[in-house]
Amino acid sequence: GQQVMQIPQYQHVQEGEDFTTYCNSSTTLSNIQWYKQRPGGHPVFLIQLVKSGEVKKQKRLTFQFGEAKKNSSLHITATQTTDVGTYFCASSSGGYQKVTFGTGTKLQVIP
Amino acid sequence: EAEVAQSPRYKITEKSQAVAFWCDPISGHATLYWYRQILGQGPELLVQFQDESVVDDSQLPKDRFSAERLKGVDSTLKIQPAELGDSAMYLCASSLVGQELGFGADTQYFGPGTRLTVL
Repeated sequence: GQQVMQIPQYQHVQEGEDFTTYCNSSTTLSNIQWYKQRPGGHPVFLIQLVKSGEVKKQKRLTFQFGEAKKNSSLHITATQTTDVGTYFCASSSGGYQKVTFGTGTKLQVIP
Repeated sequence: EAEVAQSPRYKITEKSQAVAFWCDPISGHATLYWYRQILGQGPELLVQFQDESVVDDSQLPKDRFSAERLKGVDSTLKIQPAELGDSAMYLCASSLVGQELGFGADTQYFGPGTRLTVL
């Protein structure tokens, strides 16, 4: 099955600094989804990208899908303490859209 | 806002015992997923139902795990016997259709999970 790797595994930033997590695959992905999981919580869907080179924004969050559809990034501008959590990328494949999650990037924001 | 319900929220059991988890998806959602999430890792799909049928259980340890969704609504995941390595968060998710819609995957909505500790 497909494997999706994320880097970095952990990131500590000062509040107000920017943060980026990267998602990489050795195979071409049909789509990429991003989820956020707060400490002690469950994954919450953020966004899905399907087109080559696609860029979407949600307030301070910018999501990008690579031209070759093998990588993706999530960038947070001016982090806030509410951004704390683990960010997962995921991708689906097959007729029934089996979703494979990445390894996740745990973000800690220091006030 | 409709949510996926799971119970219990926490379960502590001894190894070799049987445990069962319940999930009630969002009303009208045809697809139901059970995931296992080990601390510090991403969720791993155990089983996926489309209505009452299993469409993927390739990662389900079938010698000890079983799942059913008899009426195509709520679902039960069972482990018998539980082993120490089964300690994890068990997440249930549902989606409206679950199949390729021509614009990507259907959005999955996760429940709060059941945290299992096997002693």
